[in-house]
Amino acid sequence: ETGVTQSPTHLIKTRGQQVTLRCSSQSGHNTVSWYQQALGQGPQFIFQYYREEENGRGNFPPRFSGLQFPNYSSELNVNALELDDSALYLCASRAQREGETQYFGPGTRLLVL
Amino acid sequence: GENVEQHPSTLSVQEGDSAVIKCTYSDSASNYFPWYKQELGKGPQLIIDIRSNVGEKKDQRIAVTLNKTAKHFSLHITETQPEDSAVYFCAPRTGGGNKLTFGTGTQLKVEL
Repeated sequence: ETGVTQSPTHLIKTRGQQVTLRCSSQSGHNTVSWYQQALGQGPQFIFQYYREEENGRGNFPPRFSGLQFPNYSSELNVNALELDDSALYLCASRAQREGETQYFGPGTRLLVL
Repeated sequence: GENVEQHPSTLSVQEGDSAVIKCTYSDSASNYFPWYKQELGKGPQLIIDIRSNVGEKKDQRIAVTLNKTAKHFSLHITETQPEDSAVYFCAPRTGGGNKLTFGTGTQLKVEL
């Protein structure tokens, strides 16, 4: 176990709705990244947060947004859900002082109907 | 560009045999090269990583080799066991930041 937790474990939404996913970092980790993993594919980078600010973003539209809180926990928000947003959403945390190693949580499985 | 390709997509070996998975990347600025193992219903788990100033790293039955000139790195698993069965991803850091770009994955099956 990595110490990274995510909630909920799974949920079902309908097209057009909004969703918020949550992540608690491993103790001492101040950087959080979010990834989207479609079925049968590798995870794709959405964005990264450090010191409560976004400091890197992948090829995802603005309806994907995030927050990082002073305790380093994080949220991923997706507005106007589309069917293609159905995926496993992973968060990964790391400590700046320890370099590049990222530790992943178990993910949230989102199904959009 | 940030293309990452992984081969083979599926690999079946007998227990006790060795398994090798190769990853090629296009970003010449990449300097960190991890391998992740993902079991069904779980998040990716880091199994080994290597930095560009090192050519090879070993941890018990697992090793990674890096050829930075050719832009590829490989995962080597020796004495495979049934619990090694999973999907393996290479995920070099690309784009100059801390983004990991994942390969398409290799489904490894270790048969008794």
